[in-house]
Amino acid sequence: GNSVTQMEGPVTLSEEAFLTINCTYTATGYPSLFWYVQYPGEGLQLLLKATKADDKGSNKGFEATYRKETTSFHLEKGSVQVSDSAVYFCALVHGSSNTGKLIFGQGTTLQVKP
Amino acid sequence: EAGVAQSPRYKIIEKRQSVAFWCNPISGHATLYWYQQILGQGPKLLIQFQNNGVVDDSQLPKDRFSAERLKGVDSTLKIQPAKLEDSAVYLCASRSGPNTGELFFGEGSRLTVL
Repeated sequence: GNSVTQMEGPVTLSEEAFLTINCTYTATGYPSLFWYVQYPGEGLQLLLKATKADDKGSNKGFEATYRKETTSFHLEKGSVQVSDSAVYFCALVHGSSNTGKLIFGQGTTLQVKP
Repeated sequence: EAGVAQSPRYKIIEKRQSVAFWCNPISGHATLYWYQQILGQGPKLLIQFQNNGVVDDSQLPKDRFSAERLKGVDSTLKIQPAKLEDSAVYLCASRSGPNTGELFFGEGSRLTVL
């Protein structure tokens, strides 16, 4: 079945460090891929998405490129801030326009220290 | 625009007791989801509604969980009787239009079963 695997957390970085959170997926065909973020005390919110191979999603300095050959969608940011501390979820949607399920990875906690 | 509202935010019950969670989606959003998020795991879809009809409840443990969205607006998720393994955060999400994968989540209801 369809699934998403993320790197284990927590990830602890100093401010201005480079961030990579790995995400790989298993799916037939061509799913759409997403990164959601959950800040402390808030609901999940969409960070970025890519709907086809080689697409790059970007938002708030974060980027991820849809790599079909490696079935990956790694999240990157060149210089993290303390305010980026959150839980990050990789996800995919596969299926018809109405019934396709959003399937999440297990989440990766990022802690950025000043 | 008001976001997805959920209540209660926290609930502690004994096993075999019952509990109900309420969700009011963003106004005009026809599709509503309930997800279960166990600590250390990603959210897992329990049930999806389109207006007042069920689209997918394949992962809902129907012997103890029930959900309704009678008027196609707000929704209630009930657990009866609760088990220890039901301890989790219950997330409600909604969307409008085609399934682009962008869901709007509430802050969640955290259930602890003792």
